[in-house]
Amino acid sequence: EVQLVESGGGLVQPGGSLRLSCVASGFIFKNYAMSWVRQAPGKGLEWVSAISGSGGTTNYADSVKGRFTISRDNSKNTVDLQMNNLGVDDTAVYYCAKDERSVESIWGQGRLVTVSS
Amino acid sequence: DVVMTQSPLSLPVTLGQPASISCRSSQSLVYSDGNTYLNWFQQRPGQSPRRLIYKVSNRDSGVPDRFSGSGSGTDFTLKISRVEAEDVGVYYCMQGTHWPHLTFGGGTKVEIK
Repeated sequence: EVQLVESGGGLVQPGGSLRLSCVASGFIFKNYAMSWVRQAPGKGLEWVSAISGSGGTTNYADSVKGRFTISRDNSKNTVDLQMNNLGVDDTAVYYCAKDERSVESIWGQGRLVTVSS
Repeated sequence: DVVMTQSPLSLPVTLGQPASISCRSSQSLVYSDGNTYLNWFQQRPGQSPRRLIYKVSNRDSGVPDRFSGSGSGTDFTLKISRVEAEDVGVYYCMQGTHWPHLTFGGGTKVEIK
């Protein structure tokens, strides 16, 4: 079955760190770039970060640059998002997604990250 | 970054009637390979976004043919020929031309009158 399954997230205090992980199945993972997209409560969709199929190129939204790190392990079909120095504005559901330029679109179920004291 | 502007914000529709959502980009979405990476998503309450249309007018697998996409350059439209109850949700346009910096429209909430 073609799917993305995320894990991680949860509740963290401002300034804290969390790690999200996404496991892919059903497609040739290493052939596709991957992205993380987030959605704050009641708000729209915001691209966060992307990584090329080889992992050699990474990109970040200005809002997370310097705080978030995306990585992937093609031997395990996983893509991770390490989030440091979290602020209340980072509270959102985070989705991993397969390269949206592809013919086949795949999104994970989403993981809630809540930053609160 | 490319700004995607959707209208209307809210769209009350009578069951069985058509609906149309507009999306405008601040820059051309024609990529150097000749493709236009403009996608449409549906997000039902409590669910992940689901892509309906890719590259302006191509329906994803399993998407009913009452959904159609059109447009070019900077102006795009999603149409629902006859709205059904299951179509309630928020619809987003998204550009992938200027990858990796994906940008989304603000969303259009479709509801039944």
